[in-house]
Amino acid sequence: DSGVTQTPKHLITATGQRVTLRCSPRSGDLSVYWYQQSLDQGLQFLIQYYNGEERAKGNILERFSAQQFPDLHSELNLSSLELGDSALYFCASSDGGLAGVETQYFGPGTRLLVL
Amino acid sequence: KNEVEQSPQNLTAQEGEFITINCSYSVGISALHWLQQHPGGGIVSLFMLSSGKKKHGRLIATINIQEKHSSLHITASHPRDSAVYICAVDSWSQGNLIFGKGTKLSVKP
Repeated sequence: DSGVTQTPKHLITATGQRVTLRCSPRSGDLSVYWYQQSLDQGLQFLIQYYNGEERAKGNILERFSAQQFPDLHSELNLSSLELGDSALYFCASSDGGLAGVETQYFGPGTRLLVL
Repeated sequence: KNEVEQSPQNLTAQEGEFITINCSYSVGISALHWLQQHPGGGIVSLFMLSSGKKKHGRLIATINIQEKHSSLHITASHPRDSAVYICAVDSWSQGNLIFGKGTKLSVKP
């Protein structure tokens, strides 16, 4: 158990809908990262928050947005969903803000299926 | 061309065999990570290294910065090692992780 929690575990929805994925980092970790894992693309970095502020942005679509709240939990909002958004969405956390040189602890993921 | 390439894509071994998974990258990096993704989907960070070699139990990771290459070795492999092993690099220019597509390892009893 990494100490990172994600809800929900599974989500089935329809095209055009909007969903919110939630992540609670390990106790004391200030950074939260969101990743998308699809069958054809592998793992891709979406966005990082550090202590409530956006720190880095990757291949995140304009239809997606995220935020980190004062209690450090984070939410990833996906809107106008398309079939291609079906994927595993992982959240990870680390104690500092330097993504590449810190160990990241991954949550169990949310499996999103868009029908 | 992908910035992080792993080989092989798939690997089947017999229990007890010595296993090597390779990772090559084309960008300047601060660190390289090896991750393990279990069949159920969960991801665990195995190693983070920026030079030399690290060992944890039966797992050994090495990196050659000049050759832009890293290897993950598993000694005395066991069926419970069956998983996808993912290499990721921290690129100087991007400041976040770039992932390889993973190596799917299956260890048969």
